[in-house]
Amino acid sequence: AQSVTQLGSHVSVSEGALVLLRCNYSSSVPPYLFWYVQYPNQGLQLLLKYTSAATLVKGINGFEAEFKKSETSFHLTKPSAHMSDAAEYFCAVTSDTGRRALTFGSGTRLQVQP
Amino acid sequence: GAVVSQHPSRVICKSGTSVKIECRSLDFQATTMFWYRQFPKQSLMLMATSNEGSKATYEQGVEKDKFLINHASLTLSTLTVTSAHPEDSSFYICSAPSMGRVNTEAFFGQGTRLTVV
Repeated sequence: AQSVTQLGSHVSVSEGALVLLRCNYSSSVPPYLFWYVQYPNQGLQLLLKYTSAATLVKGINGFEAEFKKSETSFHLTKPSAHMSDAAEYFCAVTSDTGRRALTFGSGTRLQVQP
Repeated sequence: GAVVSQHPSRVICKSGTSVKIECRSLDFQATTMFWYRQFPKQSLMLMATSNEGSKATYEQGVEKDKFLINHASLTLSTLTVTSAHPEDSSFYICSAPSMGRVNTEAFFGQGTRLTVV
């Protein structure tokens, strides 16, 4: 079984400040990990993914995440927040075995203050 | 990248009627598609796995007679909400996984906002 825990349902940062969204996972098999962003009433957009290659993954819009097996974490960061980053962010896990459906975390709403 | 198209994006229906949602993979074949449901301010929960040429697999607690899934071809899966009630109002999203082992990724449709009145 796989699961994802996102610490903090709401995160508020100032424009230009560091963004840190936390994600911890649990998986009995090597995981594939993803971060998605969702704007209101829209589908999901992939920010980045970890699929057992480099542990530091760079994504779109300046986001990156680091896979740390020892900490079972895959935190999302961005050095400088923009107003346009305000959205809901979901961490998700799957594996290359089984049915490969994604298991999502509960989501973190990012607010960016001017 | 691969594209999954979901239609309609919004639908309002009366209680007791049925609504069909389509999910198409536009530039790749998908033998499997997943249907998720998202309640307001909540995460996505897997409802069922749609399998081309065979019966869908439903998650525990999901009524298969209420949420009919048909995966008629390698590019189309449909979800029909039968005899809809207000509590079925939600955001429904489909996805299709990529087939490559290394590039495992799910491609998502735009979602369908269903409102039952």
